[in-house]
Amino acid sequence: EAQVTQNPRYLITVTGKKLTVTCSQNMNHEYMSWYRQDPGLGLRQIYYSMNVEVTDKGDVPEGYKVSRKEKRNFPLILESPSPNQTSLYFCATRDRAGISNQPQHFGDGTRLSIL
Amino acid sequence: GENVEQHPSTLSVQEGDSAVIKCTYSDSASNYFPWYKQELGKGPQLIIDIRSNVGEKKDQRIAVTLNKTAKHFSLHITETQPEDSAVYFCAASMILTGGGNKLTFGTGTQLKVEL
Repeated sequence: EAQVTQNPRYLITVTGKKLTVTCSQNMNHEYMSWYRQDPGLGLRQIYYSMNVEVTDKGDVPEGYKVSRKEKRNFPLILESPSPNQTSLYFCATRDRAGISNQPQHFGDGTRLSIL
Repeated sequence: GENVEQHPSTLSVQEGDSAVIKCTYSDSASNYFPWYKQELGKGPQLIIDIRSNVGEKKDQRIAVTLNKTAKHFSLHITETQPEDSAVYFCAASMILTGGGNKLTFGTGTQLKVEL
């Protein structure tokens, strides 16, 4: 079964305590991306990766880091989380990076609360 | 950059009635327009998509129309059922110079189908 798996699903933490949200896919997709979803703002892209060792900024990259050391994993790193990063986060994948008209497959989300 | 506007933000219909959600986009370079359905506690799931060389596409009770001249596209759900209740997102995708591509989402429509 095609899956995009995020962990953890829920996390409450404090300002400044480094955290990592993992994303793993079993579809051998080239393209992976992170979004945050906030009320009234829809989904906004944080970072994306077109392949291993290739990452680029999306619309709202400030305060986040990513890495793509292997094809199946694309972790999102918050080095020093702040309350304005409290949000619902989604990882998404797509088969071929260079083809735009393909559907993205989303994970079930990670709800982060930064106190 | 691309801007996608989506209306209405909430929509309540009686079971069996039709529902229409409308989106406009700003950049004529966008060439792929997917629609996603997000149920509570889940990630967005693709329900239908349309490419810029097509004016209309149907899949059972759902249809999407695209007017490239006016830069707007719409989702139509007929014979609505309670299980259609969810948040719906439209999106527009374009290929970027340099080979990447970008998916820009609307702000979402909360559809409620009442018995």
